[in-house]
Amino acid sequence: DGGITQSPKYLFRKEGQNVTLSCEQNLNHDAMYWYRQDPGQGLRLIYYSQIVNDFQKGDIAEGYSVSREKKESFPLTVTSAQKNPTAFYLCASTRTGVETQYFGPGTRLLVL
Amino acid sequence: GQQLNQSPQSMFIQEGEDVSMNCTSSSIFNTWLWYKQDPGEGPVLLIALYKAGELTSNGRLTAQFGITRKDSFLNISASIPSDVGIYFCAGQLATGNQFYFGTGTSLTVIP
Repeated sequence: DGGITQSPKYLFRKEGQNVTLSCEQNLNHDAMYWYRQDPGQGLRLIYYSQIVNDFQKGDIAEGYSVSREKKESFPLTVTSAQKNPTAFYLCASTRTGVETQYFGPGTRLLVL
Repeated sequence: GQQLNQSPQSMFIQEGEDVSMNCTSSSIFNTWLWYKQDPGEGPVLLIALYKAGELTSNGRLTAQFGITRKDSFLNISASIPSDVGIYFCAGQLATGNQFYFGTGTSLTVIP
């Protein structure tokens, strides 16, 4: 089946620790995105990438980093500089030219 | 970033009733998308709209791309318990690659 996978479903982070969230898609989509969702708020864009080896900061990039070494993969690292990382993280992808965005199942990050 | 105003924030309705919700923006959008999200899950795309005035249906769901290109509407007819969830709108500007999201409408259907 084609789609977007995110792992793990739940992730626990200790103080001062960096953690990496995985996002993989087999839809052959060019663009990939990372969003953060907090209760009662809309989705906020962290980073996005239109092509391999290129990415742009979104509205809340501070404390996060990404890489795009392969078209299929767009991992997100939550660094220790992110002081309030507890949230639901959603990965999405879009096929350029047919502007329809699809989401993965999400990763919930909790701080111990 | 762009602000999308989505209303109502929440709705409590009886099973069988129709539902209407809308999103408005201060900017002109080229694309409007509507999603449904269940708790702990990723949003699922319901309807995509690409032209001003476009009216598109997906089963009991109907969405419209506003004539001004600054708003969009979603209607659900004859609601059923499985319609419960949070509905989000998203829009994309004519220039740029980002999508902007509304804050969601929480729908509760009372059997």
